[in-house]
Amino acid sequence: KNQVEQSPQSLIILEGKNCTLQCNYTVSPFSNLRWYKQDTGRGPVSLTIMTFSENTKSNGRYTATLDADTKQSSLHITASQLSDSASYICVDPDDKIIFGKGTRLHILP
Amino acid sequence: EPEVTQTPSHQVTQMGQEVILRCVPISNHLYFYWYRQILGQKVEFLVSFYNNEISEKSEIFDDQFSVERPDGSNFTLKIRSTKLEDSAMYFCASSGDPPLGNEQFFGPGTRLTVL
Repeated sequence: KNQVEQSPQSLIILEGKNCTLQCNYTVSPFSNLRWYKQDTGRGPVSLTIMTFSENTKSNGRYTATLDADTKQSSLHITASQLSDSASYICVDPDDKIIFGKGTRLHILP
Repeated sequence: EPEVTQTPSHQVTQMGQEVILRCVPISNHLYFYWYRQILGQKVEFLVSFYNNEISEKSEIFDDQFSVERPDGSNFTLKIRSTKLEDSAMYFCASSGDPPLGNEQFFGPGTRLTVL
């Protein structure tokens, strides 16, 4: 059964600091892995789509990495802003589309 | 910028009643999805829809659920006889072709409260 595990569950950092969120997956076969941002009470918004051949992909201050050998992905946020406070969700879009539980990120001023 | 819209934003219903949640996907998208998110829990896939038929569905999507694309713009989720545990946020999403490579755009959600 495909699973997506994320860590940490929650994270608190000061505005301006960097942080890295982790995702372990067991997807097989692999087509792509996605990161979403979800503000409270809102629908998820796509940040990146990582294919098997991509090691890293950036979207502004967000950089996702992928290690297909260890089945790990990370999302790095640079120079955090208050508006980055949200849940960040790793998603396996194959077959039944499995969402991770997300990392709840709090940015403090 | 095109967006997915959903109505109503909040639906309150009595247990056992039928509800229909409505979505208008982005106009040139071909793949449509419903998800639910129980308060405080992760997003769960319900069903995907393409070419006027269900392409995938989860274990959650039992006989109480149905989806329909009644016209060229709307995509609906019907729950025939609501249960207390159906209380959740329901998100519609759409994507272009092919679905695995294309970004899914989510609507703002409908909060369903079953009393």
